Amino acid sequence: GAGVSQTPSNKVTEKGKYVELRCDPISGHTALYWYRQSLGQGPEFLIYFQGTGAADDSGLPNDRFFAVRPEGSVSTLKIQRTERGDSAMYLCASSSQRGRTLISYNEQFFGPGTRLTVL
Amino acid sequence: ELKVEQNPLFLSMQEGKNYTIYCNYSTTSDRLYWYRQDPGKSLESLFVLLSNGAVKQEGRLMASLDTKARLSTLHITAAVHDLSATYFCAVVRDNYGQNFVFGPGTRLSVLP
Repeated sequence: GAGVSQTPSNKVTEKGKYVELRCDPISGHTALYWYRQSLGQGPEFLIYFQGTGAADDSGLPNDRFFAVRPEGSVSTLKIQRTERGDSAMYLCASSSQRGRTLISYNEQFFGPGTRLTVL
Repeated sequence: ELKVEQNPLFLSMQEGKNYTIYCNYSTTSDRLYWYRQDPGKSLESLFVLLSNGAVKQEGRLMASLDTKARLSTLHITAAVHDLSATYFCAVVRDNYGQNFVFGPGTRLSVLP
């Protein structure tokens, strides 16, 4: 079946511009995550959605970053007034809950990412 | 604050050799994940370890978890070139949340 897809695959923008990055999760997955990965580092958690609501947005670095998931499926990560330091790979993942109630876990499936370059 | 460390950060090994990658984390967590990332690609889930003493194996890779020591290992047996990639471990920030904290990654290069 179809995996997680992200568009665009590459985005080059100028400092100060606004960008939107899109994530299409695996059909039926209720949980959706956004991460940012800089070169040579591990992914950094940004935000997690359960359904339509942002269950944990503690990883968003500042108020220039915002994400929505209005219908509980597709999500958009929005970055205002981009800065050169925002340049990174932005990864999206979705998951479904597995296991028994007391020992459940979420296995994340990652999309291919959007490479954002701010000039 | 939850911190996740890995060592080594870089590993170059010859085909046929064995080696272990270590993942330490700083606070209690009962779930630990291992991922693989090929250059320029996204992350692929390898293992999910859910309890103390859990051991999982897939091909030449075996992962284990010691929650008391806050340590997970990823053991590579008789390495082959196809295993060359970056390996990340990740821990959930709390047992009920979904805020994943990733380690810095171990870049593995298997030489012929």
